[in-house]
Amino acid sequence: DGGITQSPKYLFRKEGQNVTLSCEQNLNHDAMYWYRQDPGQGLRLIYYSQIVNDFQKGDIAEGYSVSREKKESFPLTVTSAQKNPTAFYLCASSIQLSGTEAFFGQGTRLTVV
Amino acid sequence: GDSVTQMEGPVTLSEEAFLTINCTYTATGYPSLFWYVQYPGEGLQLLLKATNSDDKGSNKGFEATYRKETTSFHLEKGSVQVSDSAVYFCALSEKTSYDKVIFGPGTSLSVIP
Repeated sequence: DGGITQSPKYLFRKEGQNVTLSCEQNLNHDAMYWYRQDPGQGLRLIYYSQIVNDFQKGDIAEGYSVSREKKESFPLTVTSAQKNPTAFYLCASSIQLSGTEAFFGQGTRLTVV
Repeated sequence: GDSVTQMEGPVTLSEEAFLTINCTYTATGYPSLFWYVQYPGEGLQLLLKATNSDDKGSNKGFEATYRKETTSFHLEKGSVQVSDSAVYFCALSEKTSYDKVIFGPGTSLSVIP
């Protein structure tokens, strides 16, 4: 089955540590996205990528970094510079950036302990 | 820039009641429009979509009609069930420019027996 896989589903991190969230898709989509969702809130865009080796900052990129070395993979690193990292993180992909729907993974819940 | 506005929630309805969730948008071009649904602790799932004005998207008893003249894409269902309790997001994606998907803030729906 084609889809987007995020791992792990739950992640705990100590303050001051970097952590990387995995996102893999086998849909052959060009575009990929990372969103952050806080309790009772909507989605906020962190980074997006239209093509391999290219990515753009979203609305809340500070304290996060990404890479896009392969079409299938778009990992997100939450760095120690992110002051309030506890949140639900969603990865998505679409065939392209224009006019097409996004497909979402099941999310990773990150908690700082 | 492009934006999506949804009615404020939470919305609470009795089972078998009629549902309307309003969505209006602002777009520089001619977007495709989408409704997504998010169940607790999960990612977003595409519920329905419409590409051109006057198109009607439908799925699982939900419907929404693309109205370019009023820049609206209201979600409706004739008879809601307890299992419809979720958060609903309206979204758009421009068809003629490469840009990210824009989401509304989401509307939480609770259906009580």
